Amino acid sequence: DTAVSQTPKYLVTQMGNDKSIKCEQNLGHDTMYWYKQDSKKFLKIMFSYNNKELIINETVPNRFSPKSPDKAHLNLHINSLELGDSAVYFCASSLGTGLGQPQHFGDGTRLSIL
Amino acid sequence: TQLLEQSPQFLSIQEGENLTVYCNSSSVFSSLQWYRQEPGEGPVLLVTVVTGGEVKKLKRLTFQFGDARKDSSLHITAAQPGDTGLYLCAGYSGYSTLTFGKGTMLLVSP
Repeated sequence: DTAVSQTPKYLVTQMGNDKSIKCEQNLGHDTMYWYKQDSKKFLKIMFSYNNKELIINETVPNRFSPKSPDKAHLNLHINSLELGDSAVYFCASSLGTGLGQPQHFGDGTRLSIL
Repeated sequence: TQLLEQSPQFLSIQEGENLTVYCNSSSVFSSLQWYRQEPGEGPVLLVTVVTGGEVKKLKRLTFQFGDARKDSSLHITAAQPGDTGLYLCAGYSGYSTLTFGKGTMLLVSP
């Protein structure tokens, strides 16, 4: 009955590799997000999609490419992984883009680059 | 870029004590949210405040939004070990953009 689910939960890989993280929500929400939480617990928005359309791209390197095949899924592909990409990545969703909407978060994917 | 400053960054107290966490900005936010995050999990929404001066209570937690909608506080009465976690304030200012503070790590010891 998980509302927002991400896979995998842990991802350990070498620098230079390409990896993907998947996210699915079963809440019927229209808007989905990707956030990055660094080692100091600072949570920062990366991307936002509304009904499969990109609406926010917060100056993220183009090695990061989100893809939304339908409004229940938002996947994140990362090319040429770098040491600085090590972080916890959270997927979230909300009913819409209205201000004050509660956001529902997944449990995160901990990415470690060796 | 609108910034939210949270203080203190870390708080370690005994069960039964009261505490207040502050969230301040130089910018006006249309609404402000408080989330709690536990280890290995994502943030979970506690409350949304929208109106300047608004006060909301959630059991032992009291949330206040400043009159000018630039600051907020979270007060916990008689803290319990189950309150332990990372408390994050987050403000909406633009088109569904949620800006988070850096968080307050609360540890409540029995």
